[in-house]
Amino acid sequence: GAVVSQHPSRVICKSGTSVKIECRSLDFQATTMFWYRQFPKQSLMLMATSNEGSKATYEQGVEKDKFLINHASLTLSTLTVTSAHPEDSSFYICSAPTLAGGVTDTQYFGPGTRLTVL
Amino acid sequence: GDSVTQMEGPVTLSEEAFLTINCTYTATGYPSLFWYVQYPGEGLQLLLKATKADDKGSNKGFEATYRKETTSFHLEKGSVQVSDSAVYFCALSGSGGYNKLIFGAGTRLAVHP
Repeated sequence: GAVVSQHPSRVICKSGTSVKIECRSLDFQATTMFWYRQFPKQSLMLMATSNEGSKATYEQGVEKDKFLINHASLTLSTLTVTSAHPEDSSFYICSAPTLAGGVTDTQYFGPGTRLTVL
Repeated sequence: GDSVTQMEGPVTLSEEAFLTINCTYTATGYPSLFWYVQYPGEGLQLLLKATKADDKGSNKGFEATYRKETTSFHLEKGSVQVSDSAVYFCALSGSGGYNKLIFGAGTRLAVHP
């Protein structure tokens, strides 16, 4: 199947700093990618839809100025957590869908990035 | 709106036991249905999928059948192994174009020797 990578896999930062997380589709192009947040022992919460060449679409309650998304190319989306605080500590996961016949076929997930803000 | 309901866990089984994890959904149109698995410390992996009614998805001994009449997509495996211990997520994706996945809450499975 298709492969999605994320970098870094783990990051620890001080409160007030910004952290950038990269999501890459390695063997396919993705004009759309999705960013999720997962709290311990909970399901995934969709944060935003990243669109290549246009602005990201954020889910209700997600601060767009806090979580900056840039879809720089057909294989790369980045999530920047700005001025991170301890409550931003979480597991961040991206996904990229493949298309079949113009409709979503399958979403492939990155391995996730564990962010710890001290 | 669209939603997915999974049976609550954790589910604890002995090796070689039969597994069923129930999943029901509410959706408009004709969604695609998925089971994802998350092993400890890892991201989600697609386990199996079905894109239309009566389709059966299968992989690694797991299978699930898309039942439109009961709006269900229950996951089954005839004989579980310790290595199957993980969290299993049922999800749906709406019809047409790129669509968000809507996840169930996840069911933790623990298999003991």
